[in-house]
Amino acid sequence: NAGVTQTPKFRVLKTGQSMTLLCAQDMNHEYMYWYRQDPGMGLRLIHYSVGEGTTAKGEVPDGYNVSRLKKQNFLLGLESAAPSQTSVYFCASSHPGEGMENIQYFGAGTRLSVL
Amino acid sequence: LAKTTQPISMDSYEGQEVNITCSHNNIATNDYITWYQQFPSQGPRFIIQGYKTKVTNEVASLFIPADRKSSTLSLPRVSLSDTAVYYCLVGNNAGNMLTFGGGTRLMVKP
Repeated sequence: NAGVTQTPKFRVLKTGQSMTLLCAQDMNHEYMYWYRQDPGMGLRLIHYSVGEGTTAKGEVPDGYNVSRLKKQNFLLGLESAAPSQTSVYFCASSHPGEGMENIQYFGAGTRLSVL
Repeated sequence: LAKTTQPISMDSYEGQEVNITCSHNNIATNDYITWYQQFPSQGPRFIIQGYKTKVTNEVASLFIPADRKSSTLSLPRVSLSDTAVYYCLVGNNAGNMLTFGGGTRLMVKP
């Protein structure tokens, strides 16, 4: 099992460009999440999904959009990148129920720089 | 969401036991306590989870007092490879929005 796979691993964008980050999980998890982590900081939740076709806003959703068309995939889009979106982005997934949703499996991250 | 407070950093030496305490005074009845470990340039990794009393696995132990307003992660006989950031999270069945605070930076010295 690959677990949670994120692509790409690195990306450099110019201000105003758009891009999509892809997250794929092969554990048949219902829940998926996108976080961002700035240097020396903890993770902040951007958006999450509790199932195929559903999405919800997290703590810092502005400037991002997401889609969950297939259970195994969760896409994060930046419509018009800004330097403030320079960060490391992590995708995670988990099962629902009795604390299990708190046991999240993370990808290796995507390091994004916006110039 | 229950707010957590943990020390910003801790130092230890190889072979010592390390205890990291997390305060979560407004923990709700249905909340679970979950700890993660994060190495530089990697995503967080689940270590241990508990609801009450004590939980032990091959990596760590988690001590939770009866009032559940705090919890202590215990790492036995740490090695240099245990140098990482450790996060304490509190959430429940409906808690899809976990909050990762700043975590505790553990430095293990030779």
